[in-house]
Amino acid sequence: EVQLVESGGGLVKPGGSLRLSCAASGFTLSAYTLNWVRQAPGKGLEWISSSSSPSFDIYYADSVKGRFTISRDDTLNSAFLQMNSLRAEDTAVYYCARGEVWFDLWGQGTLVTVSS
Amino acid sequence: EIVLTQSPGTLSLSPGERATLSCRASQSVISSYLAWYQQKPGQTPRVLIYSASSRATGIPDRFSGSGSGTDFTLTISRLEPEDFAVYYCQHFGSSRTFGQGTKVDIK
Repeated sequence: EVQLVESGGGLVKPGGSLRLSCAASGFTLSAYTLNWVRQAPGKGLEWISSSSSPSFDIYYADSVKGRFTISRDDTLNSAFLQMNSLRAEDTAVYYCARGEVWFDLWGQGTLVTVSS
Repeated sequence: EIVLTQSPGTLSLSPGERATLSCRASQSVISSYLAWYQQKPGQTPRVLIYSASSRATGIPDRFSGSGSGTDFTLTISRLEPEDFAVYYCQHFGSSRTFGQGTKVDIK
């Protein structure tokens, strides 16, 4: 089955760090652009980062630039989002999504809660 | 950075009615770079329309997209019960911007 599965969410204190994973199955992730999109409780969708294919150019939204880092591991067919210096406003469901211009495949999301 | 503004914020309609959702860009965009998504409560978003007017795989033909330049429209010709959801437009650029969403709810 073609799917993306996120993991790694949880409760973290302000200023803390968390690493999210996005495991692809049924297709080769390295052939696609991989994006992270988040959705705060009761709010809309916010794109936060992309790693394009094949050049693996990397882009970030201003809201996370300098704090979040996107990466991939082709051997694991996975992508990651390292989140540092977390703030209360980073609380959201984090989705990974496949696609360069539009996102045709989404994971089910993982919840990150930043609270003391 | 391009800003996408969706209107109305909420659209209250009955099953069988026509829904017209607007997405306005702060500057002219390439139509190939405009997509629409549907998100039902508790579910993952799914792409409905890409390149402004092309239906994604498996999307019923009651959904259609149109527009160019700064003004884009998603039309649902006859609302089915499963169409009551939140709809987002999205643009591909230096950032992959989403609009703030339009909620279509039951009148």
